[in-house]
Amino acid sequence: SQKIEQNSEALNIQEGKTATLTCNYTNYSPAYLQWYRQDPGRGPVFLLLIRENEKEKRKERLKVTFDTTLKQSLFHITASQPADSATYLCALANSGYALNFGKGTSLLVTP
Amino acid sequence: DARVTQTPRDKVTEMGQEVTMRCQPILGHNTVFWYRQTMMQGLELLAYFRNRAPLDDSGMPKDRFSAEMPDATLATLKIQPSEPRDSAVYFCASGSSGNTEAFFGQGTRLTVV
Repeated sequence: SQKIEQNSEALNIQEGKTATLTCNYTNYSPAYLQWYRQDPGRGPVFLLLIRENEKEKRKERLKVTFDTTLKQSLFHITASQPADSATYLCALANSGYALNFGKGTSLLVTP
Repeated sequence: DARVTQTPRDKVTEMGQEVTMRCQPILGHNTVFWYRQTMMQGLELLAYFRNRAPLDDSGMPKDRFSAEMPDATLATLKIQPSEPRDSAVYFCASGSSGNTEAFFGQGTRLTVV
């Protein structure tokens, strides 16, 4: 069966450090992979998309890598801030199909 | 400020009652998704429409759930009869076929007692 796995344990890091979140998948041949941020009581908000033929994508302090051989994406937040504290969701879809989401990893950045 | 609008924000209902959740996608978007979120299961895809036609509703319990798009500005998700296990946050999201990101509404928090 298709699975999207994210670390269920919360990630606690100190302000200024780099946060790295992992997304692993099985039984998908995704055309692209996306990362979303979700704050309590709100809907997910799109952050970044990376396509199957791309290895890395950057946006300001965010960086995403995509390894289709390992079936893994890494999401990095550099120079993390307390405002980055949220749950981060990985999402992917086979071409023409709807997005499926991982359960998310909670990030807490402490001053 | 374009956004997906969901109503109601909160709904408490008794087991056996019908529940209708509504979604207004962003104007011009032709793709609509319904997701359900719980602590245990995370975000689960219930239904997926493109140009108002259902493309995938395999994640939806067919015996009690139904999803429709009466027109391009309204999507509905109905549960009849509702059960306590349906308690969750239901999200609607919209997108355009030329752009793969999904824009989510604020969700409807459903509690069935």
